[in-house]
Amino acid sequence: KAGVTQTPRYLIKTRGQQVTLSCSPISGHRSVSWYQQTPGQGLQFLFEYFSETQRNKGNFPGRFSGRQFSNSRSEMNVSTLELGDSALYLCASSSTDRANYGYTFGSGTRLTVV
Amino acid sequence: GESVGLHLPTLSVQEGDNSIINCAYSNSASDYFIWYKQESGKGPQFIIDIRSNMDKRQGQRVTVLLNKTVKHLSLQIAATQPGDSAVYFCADQGKYSGAGSYQLTFGKGTKLSVIP
Repeated sequence: KAGVTQTPRYLIKTRGQQVTLSCSPISGHRSVSWYQQTPGQGLQFLFEYFSETQRNKGNFPGRFSGRQFSNSRSEMNVSTLELGDSALYLCASSSTDRANYGYTFGSGTRLTVV
Repeated sequence: GESVGLHLPTLSVQEGDNSIINCAYSNSASDYFIWYKQESGKGPQFIIDIRSNMDKRQGQRVTVLLNKTVKHLSLQIAATQPGDSAVYFCADQGKYSGAGSYQLTFGKGTKLSVIP
C-alpha cells in the first residue's frame, strides 16, 4: 500500500512569507501528526489531528497551524517565516487499530528560510 | 521535563559485527517504545517496537530489549551491514494529552557508521 506522501519535498522561502505543507496519510489512517526536525533540537512534536480535529499541540508559537480534511489529508501552515523555521518537517500517520498500530513517517518537506 | 535520551551520539562498527544502541527514557508511565532508522534525506523508518508488558522483542536481525526498572532500551543489530549506516532514534509514546491523543518524544539520535 502507498506510504505517507508529503509535498513539496523542498521549499525555499523568504523571511516574512508564509508556507503551506501537505501530507497524505496511509489509506485508512485517521491520525496525522507533524514534527519539526532540526540539528539542534532534534525531532519535536508540532500537533496531531484526528477526524479533522486538532487533539494535541506541542510547544510552538501560534505562527504554526494546521488542519485536516475529511479525507484525512492534512496541511500545516507557517506564517511570518523566521530563519529559525528552517527545518525538515515530517508528517506521520497512524492507525488506532491495535493490529496495525504504529506511526509511519513520510520523507518530509525540507524548508529553507532565507 | 520528560525526555528520551541516547547515551552515545556516534557508533562505528565493523561490518559483520553486532551493534548495540542504547536509549534512556524518563517517563515511567510510557508504555510503548519505537526504534526508527533515518537515512540521509529520508524520513524516519520504523524498525521495531515494544510495549511495556514485554522485555524483549525480536525482528529480522534486530532485537529490542526493555528494562523498565532502570528505564532503559537497547537496539541490537546482528551482523551489521553497510546498509545499516544511518541515524537511529528511539521514541517514547508516553505523553498522553487526553482525547485519545499521544505524542512521540524522540531521543537526539545515534549515528551508526559501518566500516566495510
